[in-house]
Amino acid sequence: DAGITQSPRYKITETGRQVTLMCHQTWSHSYMFWYRQDLGHGLRLIYYSAAADITDKGEVPDGYVVSRSKTENFPLTLESATRSQTSVYFCASSPGHSADTQYFGPGTRLTVL
Amino acid sequence: QKEVEQNSGPLSVPEGAIASLNCTYSDRGSQSFFWYRQYSGKSPELIMFIYSNGDKEDGRFTAQLNKASQYVSLLIRDSQPSDSATYLCAVNVRSTGNKLVFGAGTILRVKS
Repeated sequence: DAGITQSPRYKITETGRQVTLMCHQTWSHSYMFWYRQDLGHGLRLIYYSAAADITDKGEVPDGYVVSRSKTENFPLTLESATRSQTSVYFCASSPGHSADTQYFGPGTRLTVL
Repeated sequence: QKEVEQNSGPLSVPEGAIASLNCTYSDRGSQSFFWYRQYSGKSPELIMFIYSNGDKEDGRFTAQLNKASQYVSLLIRDSQPSDSATYLCAVNVRSTGNKLVFGAGTILRVKS
C-alpha cells in the first residue's frame, strides 16, 4: 500500500536547469495537486488536475509546467529553475472533488543554487 | 484580508492541558473545513474534517465550526509532547474554483 509517493526526495540543481519532480499515487484518485511550502507563506497551490489530460493553474503557476497522461502520475517540471523556486514541494491527491480531503505525499526538498 | 487566517504562534501549553487552535476564513459560502497536522520536515497529515455547524469529536480531538462567525477551531484534550507540531487549517474557497486554501499554520508546543 504505497499510497502517494514523490521522487526525488531531495534535489539540488543550478539556475537555468530543467528539473522534473515526480508524483505517483496508487489510489486512482481523480484529483491531484502540486503545492509549494515556504516559510511565511504556508502551502500555495501551483497546479492541479481533475483527471487525466485535464490540468489547471493554481495560485503560483509561473515557471512551472505539468502534465497528466495517466491518472496515477502527475509530474511537475521547472523549465528553467530560479533561486526563488527553492522550496519544499508537496504532491497531493483527492478522491472526489477539488474541495475534498487531500492526502499528501512525503515532499521533495528542492534547492536551486 | 487573507482567505484563511491562523495565528502563527507558537502556542505553548503544558502536558495534559487543552490546546485550542483557531482559524478564521473570509468566504461565507465555504462548506469544507479541514485540520492537518505537520511535524517538522514531514508532510501534512489529515486530523479531522467538518462540514456542519457545531462540534465533531474524534478521540482527543474536537473540531468546532461556526459558520455565522466564520471560524473553525481545533481542541486537543490531554495534550501530549507528541502533539507538538504545526497545525494547518484548510477551507474551500469559491473564488479559487472551490479549491482548498490553507492557512499558514499555528505552531503548537506541548511542554512536559
